[in-house]
Amino acid sequence: AQSVSQHNHHVILSEAASLELGCNYSYGGTVNLFWYVQYPGQHLQLLFKYFSGDPLVKGIKGFEAEFIKSKFSFNLRKPSVQWSDTAEYFCAVRGYSTLTFGKGTMLLVSP
Amino acid sequence: DTAVSQTPKYLVTQMGNDKSIKCEQNLGHDTMYWYKQDSKKFLKIMFSYNNKELIINETVPNRFSPKSPDKAHLNLHINSLELGDSAVYFCASSQDGQGQGANVLTFGAGSRLTVL
Repeated sequence: AQSVSQHNHHVILSEAASLELGCNYSYGGTVNLFWYVQYPGQHLQLLFKYFSGDPLVKGIKGFEAEFIKSKFSFNLRKPSVQWSDTAEYFCAVRGYSTLTFGKGTMLLVSP
Repeated sequence: DTAVSQTPKYLVTQMGNDKSIKCEQNLGHDTMYWYKQDSKKFLKIMFSYNNKELIINETVPNRFSPKSPDKAHLNLHINSLELGDSAVYFCASSQDGQGQGANVLTFGAGSRLTVL
């Protein structure tokens, strides 16, 4: 069975600080990897997806994610966070069947 | 037009009642899902339907019954509601296949169910 582990449940940062959210998965085969973001009071929106190719995925608003196959990881990074990045971030993995989500990391950015 | 729309957005009801949440997608996707997000924001798959056929049914009480009249709709009916059913229920859809959009879930805005 596939599973996803997110290292931090809550992260509090000041604006302009750098961000790295850890995500590890367990699954023996080929996976599709995702990061979803849920802004306060809103639904989940896709931030990244990784299916194959360049393991460094660049997204909107300066976010990027890196797939490291040997570490079964797909960490999310941003060099300088903004107050508007306050949200819940979910890592997800799709192996054989359905999409499995991690428990989420609540990021709070103080101005 | 909203891609995945759920109704109602909020639902407050008493224990023991029966309620339904409706979901419609206009994306032409083949697969639809129901996820439950609890108070700790944990997202858990409940059901998945592909072209009106149930393909995933996680460990969910049989008080929960999904119904898919066609591939654009997946409704969730809940009987004998319990306090623990209070959560936000998200509908989602995805396209099968190998293209860039495949396997990417598009979520609805969620339906917040409160059982008193």
